[in-house]
Amino acid sequence: LAKTTQPISMDSYEGQEVNITCSHNNIATNDYITWYQQFPSQGPRFIIQGYKTKVTNEVASLFIPADRKSSTLSLPRVSLSDTAVYYCLVGDHDNYGQNFVFGPGTRLSVLP
Amino acid sequence: DAGVTQSPTHLIKTRGQQVTLRCSPISGHKSVSWYQQVLGQGPQFIFQYYEKEERGRGNFPDRFSARQFPNYSSELNVNALLLGDSALYLCASSLGGSYYNSPLHFGNGTRLTVT
Repeated sequence: LAKTTQPISMDSYEGQEVNITCSHNNIATNDYITWYQQFPSQGPRFIIQGYKTKVTNEVASLFIPADRKSSTLSLPRVSLSDTAVYYCLVGDHDNYGQNFVFGPGTRLSVLP
Repeated sequence: DAGVTQSPTHLIKTRGQQVTLRCSPISGHKSVSWYQQVLGQGPQFIFQYYEKEERGRGNFPDRFSARQFPNYSSELNVNALLLGDSALYLCASSLGGSYYNSPLHFGNGTRLTVT
């Protein structure tokens, strides 16, 4: 199982760009990198997924260097509502689906 | 389309009792996974089912069991409840199969309290 390491917590202010980096040194060739966001008393919500280079959607960007041993989730111009826990996940899947190993995540606090 | 739905939303049980939690996946999703989340921690993988067969099991005791029905809905059963089973139980669905990298879609969970 590919293990991930990310900061336990981060603080930011409204309007700033937030970058959360995740290390995954043992990522396997077929593994994708997926980020989820979780608010209290809710299930995690899919943010973005990528394999290499850069992926962008309407809410975030994901930067993955060539060696794929790390990845950075970038949230542009955060607001108070972005205060949540963010999880970086790699693998573990087979031909039937994904059995993710969640770490403790990064608790992002956006301040006014 | 409806998202992943779980029932009940909250449940209070006594030690030693048994509980059944239910999950309906997103239409078209054939893979269902169950996770346990204790306060302050990330979700911990319990089971994954695809096409009604168990495809993965996490490090949980045999008191935990699950099944998937022909309509792809799923139930998680926990016997002989312990105080430590108090947690948020999350169900997630995904396309599965050849879409093995399709993201997981989570329900909002069942909050189980064991007294």
